[in-house]
Amino acid sequence: NAGVTQTPKFQVLKTGQSMTLQCAQDMNHEYMSWYRQDPGMGLRLIHYSVGAGITDQGEVPNGYNVSRSTTEDFPLRLLSAAPSQTSVYFCASSYSKQRGQFFGPGTRLTVL
Amino acid sequence: KNQVEQSPQSLIILEGKNCTLQCNYTVSPFSNLRWYKQDTGRGPVSLTIMTFSENTKSNGRYTATLDADTKQSSLHITASQLSDSASYICVVSGGGGADGLTFGKGTHLIIQP
Repeated sequence: NAGVTQTPKFQVLKTGQSMTLQCAQDMNHEYMSWYRQDPGMGLRLIHYSVGAGITDQGEVPNGYNVSRSTTEDFPLRLLSAAPSQTSVYFCASSYSKQRGQFFGPGTRLTVL
Repeated sequence: KNQVEQSPQSLIILEGKNCTLQCNYTVSPFSNLRWYKQDTGRGPVSLTIMTFSENTKSNGRYTATLDADTKQSSLHITASQLSDSASYICVVSGGGGADGLTFGKGTHLIIQP
């Protein structure tokens, strides 16, 4: 099993550009989440999904979109990048909200 | 408001020594408490998950304790190794909010040779 994979590992964008961060898992987990991690802030939930076709907002959803067309994939889209979105982004998956999460290796995003 | 407070923020100890990290929470209702280890530049990895009825849980040299009455947990690391240098994150499940998870900000541990 590859676990949770994320691409790209690093990305630099200019303000106003759009891009998609990819996340995939091969553990047949229903529950998937996107977090951002900033210094001194801890992990903050952006969006999450409890199964294919179902998504919901987290704590900091503004400026981000998600979709869940399959159980395996959960891409995160930045619509118009802003410097405030410079961060490290982690995707996570689990069997359910009550079970421990498996995290991906992260994507380090810089917006100039 | 659901909160998870971790202490200390950072800690430096010598290789071979023991240390204890603290996690206090105000999350309600409570489902479980998780400790994660996050190496620099990597995603968090689960160390332990404890439910209300579990007081102690071990994973190798890592031992987590939970006192659900006082809403406190600790992570004890025995005979520290250089590879233990990482951030340790406490997460409590069960409270309200979007996904029912409340994250602490972590303790940054440095093991010196």
